[in-house]
Amino acid sequence: DQQVKQNSPSLSVQEGRISILNCDYTNSMFDYFLWYKKYPAEGPTFLISISSIKDKNEDGRFTVFLNKSAKHLSLHIVPSQPGDSAVYFCAASGGGSQGNLIFGKGTKLSVKP
Amino acid sequence: EPEVTQTPSHQVTQMGQEVILRCVPISNHLYFYWYRQILGQKVEFLVSFYNNEISEKSEIFDDQFSVERPDGSNFTLKIRSTKLEDSAMYFCASSAGWKGNQPQHFGDGTRLSIL
Repeated sequence: DQQVKQNSPSLSVQEGRISILNCDYTNSMFDYFLWYKKYPAEGPTFLISISSIKDKNEDGRFTVFLNKSAKHLSLHIVPSQPGDSAVYFCAASGGGSQGNLIFGKGTKLSVKP
Repeated sequence: EPEVTQTPSHQVTQMGQEVILRCVPISNHLYFYWYRQILGQKVEFLVSFYNNEISEKSEIFDDQFSVERPDGSNFTLKIRSTKLEDSAMYFCASSAGWKGNQPQHFGDGTRLSIL
């Protein structure tokens, strides 16, 4: 059961360039999508979210885009910094459940100086 | 910034033993959750808790699992008779509300190793 998919296990980007992390979902009833960042030996840290009624949300260097017709969302990080190197999880909520998050497998981002 | 704290950071237990994982959620949060992540796999939802009762639980959360809020600050996950396949990272989370616009904040996890 893969309701939330992150098909790229890893991504390598040069410092200062844009990082684009992608996520696909199958359940059209999800009402919120969230991105979390995770460093080794730490828990997931909330980054940014987007409601299913929006198509874009921006917070500083982070922007999330939602394409409902394609059931696709992406996280853009501009400019990328070495401290952004971490595993990024896409998660979704709603879809008939009360609050529990359904996570993708994560994408490991490496930002090279 | 307030944070969710979990203890212990690493727990090693013999198969068949009971284990209790502890969490202190963010103080003004009302919704509490447990998730687990088996090595190399996704973070998976186990259970949510609100108003002193379970709101929702996954298929993983069988009769071997229980949760409790024994006082005003702690939130615990008990595994009654541990199995080898219970070895995983267990994350506690809390949120002010249950909708996605009130995001869940996670602790750093407890690594549970069953021998």
